[in-house]
Amino acid sequence: GDSVTQMEGPVTLSEEAFLTINCTYTATGYPSLFWYVQYPGEGLQLLLKATKADDKGSNKGFEATYRKETTSFHLEKGSVQVSDSAVYFCALTGSNFGNEKLTFGTGTRLTIIP
Amino acid sequence: EPEVTQTPSHQVTQMGQEVILRCVPISNHLYFYWYRQILGQKVEFLVSFYNNEISEKSEIFDDQFSVERPDGSNFTLKIRSTKLEDSAMYFCASSGRIGNEKLFFGSGTQLSVL
Repeated sequence: GDSVTQMEGPVTLSEEAFLTINCTYTATGYPSLFWYVQYPGEGLQLLLKATKADDKGSNKGFEATYRKETTSFHLEKGSVQVSDSAVYFCALTGSNFGNEKLTFGTGTRLTIIP
Repeated sequence: EPEVTQTPSHQVTQMGQEVILRCVPISNHLYFYWYRQILGQKVEFLVSFYNNEISEKSEIFDDQFSVERPDGSNFTLKIRSTKLEDSAMYFCASSGRIGNEKLFFGSGTQLSVL
């Protein structure tokens, strides 16, 4: 079945550092790929998504590119801020229309130190 | 921005007891979901619900689980006889339409079964 493997945390960085959180997936066909973020005390929020190969999703300075050849969707940000401290989840949905079920990774806790 | 509301935020119960987790989805959404995350593990899909019936469920969602939309605003998850392994964070989500549409998640209910 479909699965998502993401970089284990926790990850601790200094403010303005470069961030990469790795995510790889296993799925049949052409899934859609997502990054969700959970800030303390809040629900999961969609951060960005990409629906086909070579698409780049971006939001709030974060980017991720759908790489079908490496089955990856790594999350990057050039200069992190303290407010980026949260748990980040990589996820996918199946390639069949109407298959809205999300398959998640374990989440990566990110802490940014001033 | 509209949000999905879950209550309670924490629930402690004794093994064998029934619990009901409550969710108020976004008012004009039609598709409703429950996910859960056992500590340190992946966020797992439990069930999706549309047009007053279950549209998909995972193998986790056995006869001990049920969902209901008792009125026009609430969406509940019932566990009839809780087990220790049901301890997890339970997330409710809703979306406006099917097909890789953005899901809106609540902040979760932390269920602890003693």
